Amino acid sequence: DAGVIQSPRHEVTEMGQEVTLRCKPISGHNSLFWYRQTMMRGLELLIYFNNNVPIDDSGMPEDRFSAKMPNASFSTLKIQPSEPRDSAVYFCASSLSGTGGNEQFFGPGTRLTVL
Amino acid sequence: SQQGEEDPQALSIQEGENATMNCSYKTSINNLQWYRQNSGRGLVHLILIRSNEREKHSGRLRVTLDTSKKSSSLLITASRAADTASYFCATDGTSGSRLTFGEGTQLTVNP
Repeated sequence: DAGVIQSPRHEVTEMGQEVTLRCKPISGHNSLFWYRQTMMRGLELLIYFNNNVPIDDSGMPEDRFSAKMPNASFSTLKIQPSEPRDSAVYFCASSLSGTGGNEQFFGPGTRLTVL
Repeated sequence: SQQGEEDPQALSIQEGENATMNCSYKTSINNLQWYRQNSGRGLVHLILIRSNEREKHSGRLRVTLDTSKKSSSLLITASRAADTASYFCATDGTSGSRLTFGEGTQLTVNP
């Protein structure tokens, strides 16, 4: 298995531009998570999906952020318009939820720089 | 404050020594997990301990859980330079599949 795949790995954009981050979870996993990591705020959960349905988006900073999961093998996180304070590493993770524990598998992350 | 707080924030030891990191949390949990993050990489799961377990081992890792004190510790024995990384604890509540991560301990093992 290739693990969780994220693209792009690096993104540099200018303030005001739209940014789309992509994630392919591990096949068979039914939960998908988007995190943001910065030095100041650590690792923050932005949103998570269960069976393609958004369950908790309370971590999404503001309306500029949106996430979709149109099917079990693909999710996007979009920032429109982007701002310099959005610069961070964005991780996608997936897991197989159940009573046996929910180890999460992380992708390599997308390093976003907004100038 | 945040669920899952690690202590210390940073730890520097010599190769061969043991490293102990602690984690405290605030609410009831189902499980507590420890993850490792190498610089510039995603987190990697190390070990999971359930709320009804008190101790668990995996190779050079030993995890303890004290639910009465709402705390856990991760011990890495006979440390190696390759153990240099950030270590995070993560808790999941009694409902749902989300995890709440602590701020991490940065471990440096000097050769």
